[in-house]
Parts: sequence; C-alpha cells; structure tokens
Amino acid sequence: NAGVTQTPKFQVLKTGQSMTLQCAQDMNHNSMYWYRQDPGMGLRLIYYSASEGTTDKGEVPNGYNVSRLNKREFSLRLESAAPSQTSVYFCASSGTRRETQYFGPGTRLLVL
Amino acid sequence: KNEVEQSPQNLTAQEGEFITINCSYSVGISALHWLQQHPGGGIVSLFMLSSGKKKHGRLIATINIQEKHSSLHITASHPRDSAVYICAVHSGGGADGLTFGKGTHLIIQP
Repeated sequence: NAGVTQTPKFQVLKTGQSMTLQCAQDMNHNSMYWYRQDPGMGLRLIYYSASEGTTDKGEVPNGYNVSRLNKREFSLRLESAAPSQTSVYFCASSGTRRETQYFGPGTRLLVL
Repeated sequence: KNEVEQSPQNLTAQEGEFITINCSYSVGISALHWLQQHPGGGIVSLFMLSSGKKKHGRLIATINIQEKHSSLHITASHPRDSAVYICAVHSGGGADGLTFGKGTHLIIQP
C-alpha cells in the first residue's frame, strides 16, 4: 500500500517546455488535488477532482491543465513552462471532499 | 476567500517544554486541519476537527468555532517534533480543497 505517489521527484525545464506531473493513489479515494508550495506562502490549490470524470479550478489554475485519467490517477500538465511555475508540487487525495487528505512526497520543479 | 493566520511564524524551544501554536481564520468553516511537514518535505495530516478537542499521543488540537480560532499543543516536546506545522481550513459552501496558513517552523533543542 503505497498511498499517494508522484513522479518525477525533481525536474528542470527550460522556459516554454512542457511536461506532465503524474500522481496516483491506491486508497480508492474519490477526491484528488494538486497544490503548489512556494517560499513564504502557504500551499495553494491549483486544481481538484471531486470524483472520477470531474475536474475544477482552484485558486491558481492559470498555466496548468489536469486530467483525471481514472479513479487512481490525476495528472497535472504544464503546456509552456514559465519561471513563475518554479515550485514544489504536491498531489493529495481524500475519500470524499471533506475528509482527511493524504499527500504525496512532492515534485520539485525548476524552470529556467 | 478565507484568510488563515498562524502564530508564531517561528518557535525555538527546549526539549520538554509545552508548545502552543495558534491558528485563526476569517470566514466560517466546515473543518480545520493540522498538518506536519517534515524537514524532508513530506506532509502528514495530524488532525481534522470541526468542534471541541482531539488528542493523539502528545499532541492536542482544540477549536473554538465562535472565535474562529484553533490551537495545536505539544506536551513534553522532543527534538523529533521539529517540523513545520500547518493549519488549513475547509471553507463552507461548494468550495473544495484547503486554504492553508503559512506554517509555524518549530525547532526543539535538546
């Protein structure tokens, strides 16, 4: 039982490049989330998926797209990376929308 | 948008001391979470509460809904408690996800 896994752990991109951050959970959770964490700021919600087949914008969605591929997997895509997207990205999941959230180990992204 | 404020931002204490971290929020909520972020970066949920008090080992979390305030207490603190403690809230209504405070960086010295 791995919980929430994220790949990659670390990535360096050049401005304008694209990439997809992968997240998977094995707890049969309905809800999944993507957050970003920046120095001096709290974690901020990028996108979430309340259930398979649905996605909604959070606080800071610009520059990102998401896909809820199935109940287990929720990916985050940067179509054209910008230095402002340098951050640590956390995926999380919960059984339902208002339950305890379980976090992945994070992906550290550097955009040059 | 709910504003979540934590205090203190930084706290250094000696092993064995009783620790209190405070969290206040501006808008009514359905639940409040306390999270711990280890030096390696991993985030673990400690408590989720919507009223009263919860206890787990040496950790105690309380919430006062009327005053929009919560506290996290650590009894008999230990160097392994050194971490960033984060308060987060579920706001009411249809909004999903959590709104986070900036965290309290706690260092417990031996």
